[in-house]
Amino acid sequence: SQTIHQWPATLVQPVGSPLSLECTVEGTSNPNLYWYRQAAGRGLQLLFYSVGIGQISSEVPQNLSASRPQDRQFILSSKKLLLSDSGFYLCAWNGGVSTEAFFGQGTRLTVV
Amino acid sequence: AQSVTQPDIHITVSEGASLELRCNYSYGATPYLFWYVQSPGQGLQLLLKYFSGDTLVQGIKGFEAEFKRSQSSFNLRKPSVHWSDAAEYFCASGAGSYQLTFGKGTKLSVIP
Repeated sequence: SQTIHQWPATLVQPVGSPLSLECTVEGTSNPNLYWYRQAAGRGLQLLFYSVGIGQISSEVPQNLSASRPQDRQFILSSKKLLLSDSGFYLCAWNGGVSTEAFFGQGTRLTVV
Repeated sequence: AQSVTQPDIHITVSEGASLELRCNYSYGATPYLFWYVQSPGQGLQLLLKYFSGDTLVQGIKGFEAEFKRSQSSFNLRKPSVHWSDAAEYFCASGAGSYQLTFGKGTKLSVIP
């Protein structure tokens, strides 16, 4: 069966520090991969998605970037964190257009 | 662009009472539709999905949802709510694009 791993679960980082969140999927090949950010009361905001290695689409211009160095690995990064980057970050995958997405357990990022 | 609306931000029900969470979508054709549940600090878990066919779909944990094309709705229901159902619920649609469009969520509180 397919599983998705996301780490770390919680992270406290100072303003201006770099960020790297990692997500890996097991049990499937060539998944579509997604990074979402969730703010209280505002639902899920799609940040990036990838349909293949090295292919990244950005939905919202911001202080963050994403990379997909391997088929089942998706990384969310920042060179310098801002206070506004605080939030709950979720990685997800699906197997095709419009199909159900499966989510990781999320990372709570607090920028101080 | 497609959109998903969940009109109720917060709903409180008594344990044992019935539940209906509302979801409306905007899309010209029939989209794929999903309901997810999220416990605090956790990722999203798929409750049920609708692609085509029978408009009443059954999901996990005793939930069901009914697709009504005439009302552009996909409401989630449960006949008898348990305290463990307290969580946030998200409706989502997929319509020919890779990523799903999510509503802003409805937080469910259950009174003992």
